[in-house]
Amino acid sequence: DTAVSQTPKYLVTQMGNDKSIKCEQNLGHDTMYWYKQDSKKFLKIMFSYNNKELIINETVPNRFSPKSPDKAHLNLHINSLELGDSAVYFCASSQDASSGNEQFFGPGTRLTVL
Amino acid sequence: QQQVKQSPQSLIVQKGGISIINCAYENTAFDYFPWYQQFPGKGPALLIAIRPDVSEKKEGRFTISFNKSAKQFSLHIMDSQPGDSATYFCAATPSGSARQLTFGSGTQLTVLP
Repeated sequence: DTAVSQTPKYLVTQMGNDKSIKCEQNLGHDTMYWYKQDSKKFLKIMFSYNNKELIINETVPNRFSPKSPDKAHLNLHINSLELGDSAVYFCASSQDASSGNEQFFGPGTRLTVL
Repeated sequence: QQQVKQSPQSLIVQKGGISIINCAYENTAFDYFPWYQQFPGKGPALLIAIRPDVSEKKEGRFTISFNKSAKQFSLHIMDSQPGDSATYFCAATPSGSARQLTFGSGTQLTVLP
């Protein structure tokens, strides 16, 4: 009965590889997000989708491509992984994109690029 | 440019003491100010939030104080407990159609037994 789930929890890979992180929410929310948390725990939004439509796209390398097959899923695909991509990636969801709506975060995916 | 500045970076408090974490913002368009709590290995979770039309909000041992003119807000944790040991993030979101959260840099709180 997990609200926001992510797979995998840990991902260790070599530089240059392509990898994907999957996210699913069972809360019936319209809006989903991807955040990156760096080694200093700084949280920064990467993308936001509302009803499968991209509404926020921060300054993120185009090696990162989100995909939302339906409003319950938001996957993150990363091409040509670099050392600096090592971080914890969090998926989150909220009822909609309005201010004041609580964002529910997943457990995170720790990505390590060797 | 960091739009939400948070201090201190780390805080150590004795059990039963008061923990105070401060945040300051620059963007006057911000209209929602939540605090998130993150335990090791977990995602952040909403703790308490405030809008600028009130100066204080209290939920149990947690209180947000808000000073709109100074563009500052703070989290007070009364009677701090070891179970409160976590990283706390202030955040802010502006009015508008795509209301993304901008987080502060986080405060690592340790409550000693």
